[in-house]
Amino acid sequence: GAVVSQHPSWVICKSGTSVKIECRSLDFQATTMFWYRQFPKQSLMLMATSNEGSKATYEQGVEKDKFLINHASLTLSTLTVTSAHPEDSSFYICSASSLADGGNEQFFGPGTRLTVL
Amino acid sequence: AQTVTQSQPEMSVQEAETVTLSCTYDTSESDYYLFWYKQPPSRQMILVIRQEAYKQQNATENRFSVNFQKAAKSFSLKISDSQLGDAAMYFCASEQDNDMRFGAGTRLTVKP
Repeated sequence: GAVVSQHPSWVICKSGTSVKIECRSLDFQATTMFWYRQFPKQSLMLMATSNEGSKATYEQGVEKDKFLINHASLTLSTLTVTSAHPEDSSFYICSASSLADGGNEQFFGPGTRLTVL
Repeated sequence: AQTVTQSQPEMSVQEAETVTLSCTYDTSESDYYLFWYKQPPSRQMILVIRQEAYKQQNATENRFSVNFQKAAKSFSLKISDSQLGDAAMYFCASEQDNDMRFGAGTRLTVKP
């Protein structure tokens, strides 16, 4: 149980275009979903936290107008990178937690590798 | 704010031997959780072990165990009988109020 999927697993796009990444909890209802960014050989950095039906809470330094997060249902959250630039190239990981599970353990998706040309 | 520090960027262990990965953390909360995650080359985050701060007993999962020193805010991971498949990045993490923070990671190499 507690499986989280991400789609796509990798994407290449041109500079200036927008890219949407989906995060789905497959076998549980995710009260909260999290988006992380991981640069090569670095740790995971939290970008934002989103609760179903509410606006996402962004970490300091993360542009909310550039990284649009939607958490429309208890099983789906999306991250849209708008007007992507090469410096946005990174590995994006989502995770999900459930209040039914105590809420403190996060289940991670397999990640999405974004390359902006 | 909570911080997590892993002071060992790289560690190496001989197959079948034991290795300990260090982690210290800082939090102002009394209710928090600590985790060790493994990230293999696939980059999928895999939970290795978790510890509730209110529990004094150290968590154990098969060959993996922790040494949780609450007063010292230390949370080290011991891997016994190391296997080639243990080679990966290991991240220590602290969670409070649904906010999880990670250390910089330790790259573990297992030598055959």
